[in-house]
Amino acid sequence: DQQVKQNSPSLSVQEGRISILNCDYTNSMFDYFLWYKKYPAEGPTFLISISSIKDKNEDGRFTVFLNKSAKHLSLHIVPSQPGDSAVYFCAASGTSGTYKYIFGTGTRLKVLA
Amino acid sequence: EAGVAQSPRYKIIEKRQSVAFWCNPISGHATLYWYQQILGQGPKLLIQFQNNGVVDDSQLPKDRFSAERLKGVDSTLKIQPAKLEDSAVYLCASSLVGGGGYGYTFGSGTRLTVV
Repeated sequence: DQQVKQNSPSLSVQEGRISILNCDYTNSMFDYFLWYKKYPAEGPTFLISISSIKDKNEDGRFTVFLNKSAKHLSLHIVPSQPGDSAVYFCAASGTSGTYKYIFGTGTRLKVLA
Repeated sequence: EAGVAQSPRYKIIEKRQSVAFWCNPISGHATLYWYQQILGQGPKLLIQFQNNGVVDDSQLPKDRFSAERLKGVDSTLKIQPAKLEDSAVYLCASSLVGGGGYGYTFGSGTRLTVV
């Protein structure tokens, strides 16, 4: 039972254009959603999060949108840079009080110079 | 601040052998997590500690995996005996409080190969 899904395993975007990474979830009780970025041979790095009571959160070039009715969130990167090339994981935080994150399978973003 | 330290970085063992991984979280972080990331999958929580008590170990295969967190600081994850399907990256993470929307900090991981 995969509660957090990233259906696109990879994405290629030209430098300077917008990158849009998508994530779907099944549990309407999730209270926080997060995006992590991972470079090879490194651990995931926290990028941005959004509370379930909001529909948008912005931090510099990164914006996360949440559509609760569709159980869908997306990460927009504008403008995309070659250094953004990495694997991006979507994660959701449950309401059990343990704050464990459930991760998607990741999307590999390649920004072409 | 210093990050989450893990060792070793890489480990190759034969099936049925034992292996242990070590994690030193960020100073002052009460919550510590061990995640398993199999190639092509997202990280999966194995166990969560709050100080030196276990909060969640529902996905830890307890017949072969064990973990402890001594004095609420360092933690060790052990596999005994290892199986081929245990080949994965084992990630340790820590947070000041429970994650919520703040995320937590991961170490670089230990890549385990069981042959």
